[in-house]
Amino acid sequence: KQEVTQIPAALSVPEGENLVLNCSFTDSAIYNLQWFRQDPGKGLTSLLLIQSSQREQTSGRLNASLDKSSGRSTLYIAASQPGDSATYLCAVKEGSNYKLTFGKGTLLTVNP
Amino acid sequence: DTEVTQTPKHLVMGMTNKKSLKCEQHMGHRAMYWYKQKAKKPPELMFVYSYEKLSINESVPSRFSPECPNSSLLNLHLHALQPEDSALYLCASSQAAGKVKNIQYFGAGTRLSVL
Repeated sequence: KQEVTQIPAALSVPEGENLVLNCSFTDSAIYNLQWFRQDPGKGLTSLLLIQSSQREQTSGRLNASLDKSSGRSTLYIAASQPGDSATYLCAVKEGSNYKLTFGKGTLLTVNP
Repeated sequence: DTEVTQTPKHLVMGMTNKKSLKCEQHMGHRAMYWYKQKAKKPPELMFVYSYEKLSINESVPSRFSPECPNSSLLNLHLHALQPEDSALYLCASSQAAGKVKNIQYFGAGTRLSVL
């Protein structure tokens, strides 16, 4: 059974700092991996999706990498801003079915 | 337009009430999902509809009854709920399974309180 772990569970940084969020998964036979952002009491916003054949994806100040063989993904946020404060979730999809397995998330606080 | 719209935003119901949650998308997606999320936990998949047919039911109690009237709409009918069913209910949609960029787009959720 696939298990997804996110470390750290919470992170507090000063504004402007570059930071890395980590996601690991136990079964490397994934179809893709998706990073989401969730603001308190709100829905999830898709940030980046990396196919199993890809090594990284970039969107603005965000860069996500994927190392399937070691079961790891990282989300790099450059020049963090207070507006980046949210919970970041990673989720893996196994096979071409619909089901996502989510990690428990990292609660990020960026202090002005 | 990547919007998934859920109504209502908040719902309070008694254990004997019948209510429905609604979800709508106009992205041409043929897969729609219901998730349940408790505080400080990740979303848990409940149901998936693919081409308006129920594709996945994650052993959800029968007091939750999904319905997909057409490719743009998804309902979740609620009856005789328990207080432990209080949670944020999220709807999502995506392209059909097997598509390369099968990104799931989520609505803002319905905050349900069962008294």
